[in-house]
Amino acid sequence: SYVLTQPPSVSVAPGQTARVACGGNNFGSKSVHWYQQKPGQAPVLVVYADTDRPSGIPERFSGSNSGNTATLTISRVEAGDEADYYCQVWDSSRDPVFGTGTKVTVL
Amino acid sequence: VQLVESGGGLIQPGGSLRLSCAASGFTVSDNYMNWVRQAPGKGLEWVSVIYSGGSTYYADSVKGRFTISRDNSKNTLNLQMNSLRDEDTAVYYCARVIRGVQVDYFYMSVWGKGTTVTVSS
Repeated sequence: SYVLTQPPSVSVAPGQTARVACGGNNFGSKSVHWYQQKPGQAPVLVVYADTDRPSGIPERFSGSNSGNTATLTISRVEAGDEADYYCQVWDSSRDPVFGTGTKVTVL
Repeated sequence: VQLVESGGGLIQPGGSLRLSCAASGFTVSDNYMNWVRQAPGKGLEWVSVIYSGGSTYYADSVKGRFTISRDNSKNTLNLQMNSLRDEDTAVYYCARVIRGVQVDYFYMSVWGKGTTVTVSS
């Protein structure tokens, strides 16, 4: 089955930049989406189709996808960004797959 | 646009439970809709999807035990869960699925708050 690998944790100081990686085979041909989940809450879509942001999501959240790695970048990190982040891939060739999840800790 | 799940609870192994997801602000039958679950302390796991045309698909872990359906009169999404196992214990979320335009992808745009299912004797 298709596997999306993420680092278990990323730590970042307030105001700095956090980068969350998501690795998978043949990523360049697939669109990657990202979800933020704060403790006790439902996931929220923060980036879709590699680089697009839903309305209401701050510009500080951005995405990229190159080769076998997709990256979620959070600029000027705030305390409220502390959460679990999941990447996801879903196209007509396979069932949806979520990444293993990354806990972003704001120091 | 809002989704509200209901129907969770404590159930013994081998039992059945029916989850519902009430939608507002859009029509369930015009959209792809799916269920995702999250076991305690674990990551997200896709469970099932129903396409607007009615086709249904399931994760291998629930195939043959769970059934996804819609009630168009109530604008709700349902998940009938039979032969429940300990490992089905999780928070169950429903989510609206968006298809890419001229690009082959799907993503989950709106999620409900979830309903908790606990399978235990």
